[in-house]
Amino acid sequence: DAGVTQSPTHLIKTRGQQVTLRCSPKSGHDTVSWYQQALGQGPQFIFQYYEEEERQRGNFPDRFSGHQFPNYSSELNVNALLLGDSALYLCASSLFAQQKLYEQYFGPGTRLTVT
Amino acid sequence: AQKITQTQPGMFVQEKEAVTLDCTYDTSDQSYGLFWYKQPSSGEMIFLIYQGSYDEQNATEGRYSLNFQKARKSANLVISASQLGDSAMYFCAMREGPLYGGATNKLIFGTGTLLAVQP
Repeated sequence: DAGVTQSPTHLIKTRGQQVTLRCSPKSGHDTVSWYQQALGQGPQFIFQYYEEEERQRGNFPDRFSGHQFPNYSSELNVNALLLGDSALYLCASSLFAQQKLYEQYFGPGTRLTVT
Repeated sequence: AQKITQTQPGMFVQEKEAVTLDCTYDTSDQSYGLFWYKQPSSGEMIFLIYQGSYDEQNATEGRYSLNFQKARKSANLVISASQLGDSAMYFCAMREGPLYGGATNKLIFGTGTLLAVQP
């Protein structure tokens, strides 16, 4: 049973560039959430996707956008990168209609460095 | 506003001893869930334990237990018989809203506590 996978594991970009991060949810899960974790901080919620739509969004600018595909995988896009976007980006998957909400699994993350 | 506070940036514990990691929360919702996650240096967030706001018993999962004091809005994690592999960052998190159904899985995290287990 494959868990949540993310690619790439590490990425180095230059200010002003655009980046795409990818996430495949755990088998059987249909909901994907994205979090940004700056160094020394707890993760911050970016947004959640279900049925290919953004369902909820955290306090992040429009430079952060996403997409969910019919196979439930998801992409996080960040445009016009800033130095402050350097962080670990975590993807979490869950089943929308499940009864116990602690069944949210995180991937290993993508470490983005903006220079 | 919803908030999680972890006041211990770092903790040391001797192997085989118990340790308590503190967490307080702030919410105006009656329905919420509290979580503890472990994050080793590899980066992946590992779910440890969950407590629902209406759960009458404190949650336990193996060596982990959650000391839930609703009136004080605290949800401390107790790790019994610490092992060297327990050395990691520990995060307390909260989810607001209905406890069943998938309306939102947004978690609000604290700043974490770095636990070091010494042999």
